[in-house]
Amino acid sequence: GAVVSQHPSRVICKSGTSVKIECRSLDFQATTMFWYRQFPKQSLMLMATSNEGSKATYEQGVEKDKFLINHASLTLSTLTVTSAHPEDSSFYICSARDSGGARNEQFFGPGTRLTVL
Amino acid sequence: GENVEQHPSTLSVQEGDSAVIKCTYSDSASNYFPWYKQELGKRPQLIIDIRSNVGEKKDQRIAVTLNKTAKHFSLHITETQPEDSAVYFCAASKSGANNLFFGTGTRLTVIP
Repeated sequence: GAVVSQHPSRVICKSGTSVKIECRSLDFQATTMFWYRQFPKQSLMLMATSNEGSKATYEQGVEKDKFLINHASLTLSTLTVTSAHPEDSSFYICSARDSGGARNEQFFGPGTRLTVL
Repeated sequence: GENVEQHPSTLSVQEGDSAVIKCTYSDSASNYFPWYKQELGKRPQLIIDIRSNVGEKKDQRIAVTLNKTAKHFSLHITETQPEDSAVYFCAASKSGANNLFFGTGTRLTVIP
């Protein structure tokens, strides 16, 4: 199947700093990528849809100035958590949809665990 | 927006028995319903999906049924094995594999 990577896998930062998370589709092109947040033992919550070459679409309640998304190429989307605070601590997972694939499916990255002290 | 509810939250079955997980959705425009399996510390993996023009789909020991009128869909796992133990998420979307809204998850434990 298609492979999606995320970097870093874990990050610990001080309150007030910004953290960038990368999501890459390794063997396919993805015009659309998605960012989710998952709290412990809870479901995946869609935060935003990242569109290559255009602005991301954010879900209701997600602050676009807090969670900056950039999708500059067909294989890379980045999520920047700006001025992170302890309540931003969570597991962030991205997924990518294979633009050229026969199957209309989202492939998930391994996730990034963010801990804000 | 779409609201997906999933039951039960935890499910324990004996090896070899069947397991059923149910989900309901709120948006009648939803047309794509995937199921994901997430093992501890790993990424979600698609195990089966169904589209609104189909009522049932089966893949070996896994089957999914969809009732559009009632807006609910179910995952059926037969002859369960210990390696089926994981958290299962249902999801719904009205734009194919875009904009998935997930259920709250079911932790399945298969007891050897």
